[in-house]
Amino acid sequence: DAKTTQPNSMESNEEEPVHLPCNHSTISGTDYIHWYRQLPSQGPEYVIHGLTSNVNNRMASLAIAEDRKSSTLILHRATLRDAAVYYCILRPANAGGTSYGKLTFGQGTILTVHP
Amino acid sequence: NAGVTQTPKFQVLKTGQSMTLQCAQDMNHNSMYWYRQDPGMGLRLIYYSASEGTTDKGEVPNGYNVSRLNKREFSLRLESAAPSQTSVYFCASSEQAGRPPETQYFGPGTRLLVL
Repeated sequence: DAKTTQPNSMESNEEEPVHLPCNHSTISGTDYIHWYRQLPSQGPEYVIHGLTSNVNNRMASLAIAEDRKSSTLILHRATLRDAAVYYCILRPANAGGTSYGKLTFGQGTILTVHP
Repeated sequence: NAGVTQTPKFQVLKTGQSMTLQCAQDMNHNSMYWYRQDPGMGLRLIYYSASEGTTDKGEVPNGYNVSRLNKREFSLRLESAAPSQTSVYFCASSEQAGRPPETQYFGPGTRLLVL
């Protein structure tokens, strides 16, 4: 799977926007960009995904660079509940062999939200 | 909907004991997965079941067996537990492995300590 690079940690204040970056310079044309997050002592939680266009859902927005070599997860108003580890993951459209079904979680970005 | 449920939440075993981790999903998903998460290692895929009646090895299958009991349930068995299997185990499901975008939904996890 193509590699992603994220900052180890970021901090934000409550009710402020948060922009979490992810670099994926070796992304292939058919890779989907997924974001998951993991709150303390919980299982990973799906946040959003995209392929080429920017995406919005009730949790967040995903901004994808025109060349697709980077993306940014945007939390519009951070809350204390958004404190978690955020993972940027690439999933090939035609995963097969040992990649079949596997989500490759890297180290992610630890987001701290201050009251 | 409960989503993905796992039992038990916590378990302590002695070396050599056996146990089965249970997982169930109520989203009518075809595919199910077992991961383990160790500190600093991210999540690693143990086994997966692309559809009812099929199971396949992931990247760390040694020491484990699985059963896809029906479409809803996917169990993970440790026949002879070892301290190296101390970990947090997550079950996940998706509509269909291999069909993009393959969003996976995770359970709350089972924390296992092998003494």
